[in-house]
Amino acid sequence: KQEVTQIPAALSVPEGENLVLNCSFTDSAIYNLQWFRQDPGKGLTSLLLIQSSQREQTSGRLNASLDKSSGRSTLYIAASQPGDSATYLCAVYGGGSEKLVFGKGTKLTVNP
Amino acid sequence: DTGVSQDPRHKITKRGQNVTFRCDPISEHNRLYWYRQTLGQGPEFLTYFQNEAQLEKSRLLSDRFSAERPKGSFSTLEIQRTEQGDSAMYLCASSLTVAKNIQYFGAGTRLSVL
Repeated sequence: KQEVTQIPAALSVPEGENLVLNCSFTDSAIYNLQWFRQDPGKGLTSLLLIQSSQREQTSGRLNASLDKSSGRSTLYIAASQPGDSATYLCAVYGGGSEKLVFGKGTKLTVNP
Repeated sequence: DTGVSQDPRHKITKRGQNVTFRCDPISEHNRLYWYRQTLGQGPEFLTYFQNEAQLEKSRLLSDRFSAERPKGSFSTLEIQRTEQGDSAMYLCASSLTVAKNIQYFGAGTRLSVL
């Protein structure tokens, strides 16, 4: 059974700081990994998707890496802004099922 | 707006009542998923459809839950005899089989059972 863990559960940083969010998964037989953003009481916004054959993806100030063999992914946020404050969720897809398996998320607060 | 649409956004009901939620996927997306998210947790898979066929159901989907996608377009999720433990955000997502299975999520329906 696939399990996804995200560390830390919460993170508070001053504006402008670079930060890293971590995601680990137990079954390396995945097709892809997605990072989502969720604002309070809202749905999910897809940020980045990394295929199992890829090592990283970049979008603006976001960079996500994937080490499939070790079951790890990181989301790097450069020059954080208060508008980045949200919960960031990692999800993996694959392993014989069509569902996404999510971690519990990292709640990020960026202080002005 | 061509995104995933869910209705209602919020539902408050009394224990024992039946509720039904609707999801309209992105046009031409052949896959539709339902997830449930409780406070402080990540979303958990409930079920998914490919066109009108329900192909996978989670053990979380008890006998009180039923989902349909009769014409392969919109879907409904019904909960019968609601319990307080059903209080959660119910999220719908859709995808195209060939498009790397990127799932696009709706804003969700927040259910509160009193």
